[in-house]
Amino acid sequence: NAGVTQTPKFRVLKTGQSMTLLCAQDMNHEYMYWYRQDPGMGLRLIHYSVGEGTTAKGEVPDGYNVSRLKKQNFLLGLESAAPSQTSVYFCASRSTRVDTQYFGPGTRLTVL
Amino acid sequence: ILNVEQSPQSLHVQEGDSTNFTCSFPSSNFYALHWYRWETAKSPEALFVMTLNGDEKKKGRISATLNTKEGYSYLYIKGSQPEDSATYLCAVALIRQAGTALIFGKGTTLSVSS
Repeated sequence: NAGVTQTPKFRVLKTGQSMTLLCAQDMNHEYMYWYRQDPGMGLRLIHYSVGEGTTAKGEVPDGYNVSRLKKQNFLLGLESAAPSQTSVYFCASRSTRVDTQYFGPGTRLTVL
Repeated sequence: ILNVEQSPQSLHVQEGDSTNFTCSFPSSNFYALHWYRWETAKSPEALFVMTLNGDEKKKGRISATLNTKEGYSYLYIKGSQPEDSATYLCAVALIRQAGTALIFGKGTTLSVSS
């Protein structure tokens, strides 16, 4: 079991560029989450999904879009990156039966 | 928006010291409380999940308690070791949140010197 994996691990973008972060889990989990972690702010929920084909907004959704076309994958898109989106992005997943979330290793994104 | 507060923000102790941290949360609509351990350059790892008032969980030298009526949880580390150095995150799940999304505190960063 690889658990939760994230691609890429690091990325540098210029303002206005777009990119997609990929989260994949091999635990057959229904729920998946995208968080961002900023100094002094803790983990904040961007978007989440309670199943294939469904997504919902979290605490800080502006500037991001997500898709869950396959159960095992949850994609986070930035259409027009801004310096305020410089952060470390964590993906997590969990099953419907157990509350514990399992986290990926994170993606460090810098927007210049 | 629910606020999950953790204190202290950071803590430095000597090897062998015992220590504890606090997580405070509004008690209305409470469903579950999670403690995670987060080492630098790694991803958060689950320590405990607690749901009932009075719950106590233990894993080795680390234990946690939960008081849902007054809205707090304590995490205790007995005989701290350098490998305990990490950020300890508290997260709360509320009833009626689809997918039971977690609301995280900002963490307590523990540094243990040998």
